[in-house]
Formats: sequence, C-alpha cells, structure tokens
Amino acid sequence: AQKVTQAQTEISVVEKEDVTLDCVYETRDTTYYLFWYKQPPSGELVFLIRRNSFDEQNEISGRYSWNFQKSTSSFNFTITASQVVDSAVYFCALSEAKETSGSRLTFGEGTQLTVNP
Amino acid sequence: DSGVTQTPKHLITATGQRVTLRCSPRSGDLSVYWYQQSLDQGLQFLIQYYNGEERAKGNILERFSAQQFPDLHSELNLSSLELGDSALYFCASSYMEGFNNEQFFGPGTRLTVL
Repeated sequence: AQKVTQAQTEISVVEKEDVTLDCVYETRDTTYYLFWYKQPPSGELVFLIRRNSFDEQNEISGRYSWNFQKSTSSFNFTITASQVVDSAVYFCALSEAKETSGSRLTFGEGTQLTVNP
Repeated sequence: DSGVTQTPKHLITATGQRVTLRCSPRSGDLSVYWYQQSLDQGLQFLIQYYNGEERAKGNILERFSAQQFPDLHSELNLSSLELGDSALYFCASSYMEGFNNEQFFGPGTRLTVL
C-alpha cells in the first residue's frame, strides 16, 4: 500500500533562513504523482506543485524548489530566504495510477513550519 | 481562493444527530473528492465522484454517505454522529478523474460533535 512519511513534525527557523522539508514515499507503482500542499493558519489547503514519477528534474518557482529523487523515494521541498508568511503546515501527498485507487491523495502527517521574525 | 465552495463553514451538533455538508466544485470540474482531517488520523481520503458516479472509496464509515448531483455539486451525509467524528471536512475538485490531476481544495467545514 502507498505511504507518505514526513518525519519532521515541527520546524522553527528565523526569517531569511533556508529550510528543507523532507518527504519520503512508498509505492509499488512505477507510475505515480507527488504533490505538495500548504495549509496556512486560516485552514485551507493550497496546491503548490505536482510532479510525475518519470520526471526527476528539480523544479524552482521563486523561493520554492523541489528535489525529486526516485533512488531514495524522496520529494523534498526547500524554501529559500524564508518569510513569516511561509509559516504553515506543509503536506506531501502521493497519487497512484491504479484503477482501484481512483485518484485519491495519500497525505503525509504534515510538517508545521514556523518562521520567526 | 480555489473556486471550490463549501457550506457551512462551521457546524456544531450533538451525538446521534445527522448532518449534511455541501460542496460546489470549481466551474468546469467534473470530479469531487471528500477528505477528513482530524488530529489523530491526519488527512484521510473518504470518497471520490466523477460526473455523478462513485469512483473510489477510502476509509469511509458506513454511517457516512455521499453523492454528486447532476449540477455536479456534492453532499456528504454524516449520521449517528459520534464525538470522534469531530474534524475538518474538505471537499476538493479536479477537471478529470485521473491520478495526475491536481486537486483544488475548498475552505473546509469544521464539524464539532458535542
């Protein structure tokens, strides 16, 4: 069965520090998608990125970057020069291409990131 | 704003009662998903509908049921409520039903069972 692990429950940094959020996944499928979502204090879930299992290129979007490594089943998320507004819970999620699983997202436990001024 | 709307925002009720949570997907999206977020279980997938048909089921209790109507809005019905059903219930939508579609989440309905 699929599983996503975010071992870091809480991370606290000072503004302008770089921070990496770890995500490790388990799946027997060769075809799958990985996602990151942000949940700010207001509670909604905000989509950040989607990555398919055949594309191991790292991606950068502004201060955000993602490192996907199939060899270690990891999909880590780095925020460069963190800001107070980055404070949120971040979720990593997995979606497999199995017919029986539909297109459900399996979420990790989430990492609470606090950026202090 | 994701474009997914959920009502009500908050719901407080008593054990044994029945409630209905409503979701309107983003314009044009055909697939609707329901998730439950609780402190002990985390974020868990409940059920998915695509164009009115049930597509996938997660660990949804028998006391819970859902449906998607012809206008594509969806309702999640929770009955014989227990204290442990207190949680944040999210609806999400995507254009198609496939595993490669990003899901856009609504603001959630916070259910408190007293």
